[in-house]
Amino acid sequence: EVQLVQSGAELKKPGESLKISCKGSGYSFTSYWIGWVRQMPGKGLEWMGNIWPGDSDTRYSPSFQGQVTISVDKSISTAYLQWSSLKASDTAMYYCARQRDDNTGHIKIDYWGQGTLVTVSS
Amino acid sequence: DIQMTQSPSTLSASVGDRVTITCRASQSISNWLAWYQQKPGKAPNLLIYDVSTLESGVPSRFSGSGSGTEFTLTISSLQPDDFATYHCQQYNSYPLTFGQGTKVEIK
Repeated sequence: EVQLVQSGAELKKPGESLKISCKGSGYSFTSYWIGWVRQMPGKGLEWMGNIWPGDSDTRYSPSFQGQVTISVDKSISTAYLQWSSLKASDTAMYYCARQRDDNTGHIKIDYWGQGTLVTVSS
Repeated sequence: DIQMTQSPSTLSASVGDRVTITCRASQSISNWLAWYQQKPGKAPNLLIYDVSTLESGVPSRFSGSGSGTEFTLTISSLQPDDFATYHCQQYNSYPLTFGQGTKVEIK
């Protein structure tokens, strides 16, 4: 069974750093892209970027480029999303998601983690 | 970026109703479109990909159609478990983008 298990909820202050994680199991971790999706309170879904665990090739949405860093440790099948200096506007639910290719070159999200709620408040 | 626009934003319907949600892309995305269902407090769940292919385990009352820039998700006979928010997403090109979501609520 494919599972993506994310780290727990975080309460941080503005200016603090944070790294959240997503551990994949039940499939070949290095054979699928892992992406991150933000959902602000009461809002829609925003794709932030993704990473290929095999070689750490990373793509970012222009909206998130320079704001976050996506990384991976393939030895432990875990992807990460990190911030160096949080803002109140980073308060949101963050989902990791496996992205499947089906040999078309076009990748779709097929499995999602349970989400990590990040709250940034002074 | 390709903008995805869903309509309506909210839809009130009754059990047994036929429901249609529309998703428009700001430019052609060929058939690289997916639909997700999201229930409150839960992660989204893949329903349909490549416009009309049902993901394994998804009930056949869900169907998708369209091409180019205009797409629809249809629920043929709404069931109690279907009251949720539905999101379309294009994966034709980076950055991947979602519609704003359509909430299907009980009438």
